[in-house]
Amino acid sequence: AQKITQTQPGMFVQEKEAVTLDCTYDTSDPSYGLFWYKQPSSGEMIFLIYQGSYDQQNATEGRYSLNFQKARKSANLVISASQLGDSAMYFCAMRETDSWGKFQFGAGTQVVVTP
Amino acid sequence: GAVVSQHPSRVICKSGTSVKIECRSLDFQATTMFWYRQFPKQSLMLMATSNEGSKATYEQGVEKDKFLINHASLTLSTLTVTSAHPEDSSFYICSARDGQPIYEQYFGPGTRLTVT
Repeated sequence: AQKITQTQPGMFVQEKEAVTLDCTYDTSDPSYGLFWYKQPSSGEMIFLIYQGSYDQQNATEGRYSLNFQKARKSANLVISASQLGDSAMYFCAMRETDSWGKFQFGAGTQVVVTP
Repeated sequence: GAVVSQHPSRVICKSGTSVKIECRSLDFQATTMFWYRQFPKQSLMLMATSNEGSKATYEQGVEKDKFLINHASLTLSTLTVTSAHPEDSSFYICSARDGQPIYEQYFGPGTRLTVT
């Protein structure tokens, strides 16, 4: 069963605007981690932000913030002040405790930032 | 930050031949390495998990005899695609963990395999 769901296959956003990428997850493990990665056309996976299941506050890293709603099992990524260089594929991923640290990835959301 | 390299970055091989992809952790010891496969416009699919000195654990549906994984040292894991066919053409990405903290995982730049 799909454990990570990203329902937005693609999004257009104008430069300098904020964009929210949706991610919902499914797990019965009380201890888990949620990640967002950016993958530009070059293919490299760039780590953006991490949220632990026990973290009380939403994670933030520069222009990236994670809107963590544990009861709803959602972990949406907010990119503020979009830049042209933000155009890429974005993946949400989950790591469960008993999984040797392996990730399960969502289907991804293609973001295109327009001038 | 920790660096993971992959070699080669691109490889073209003929159908029926084997190709080896290397994944190296350059500045840390990787207790666990992961191999992913990614088709165009799709997500990363985990193929196998390998721990140094032990046999790899393959995900369901991944052919062990076709995708040979060797994690012979704490800095090197290899993926060998044996008797490659055009449907094996894909983007292969490795990642590595150093064990602490558990959430840290570092990705290699990927290898694009084309089988003709």
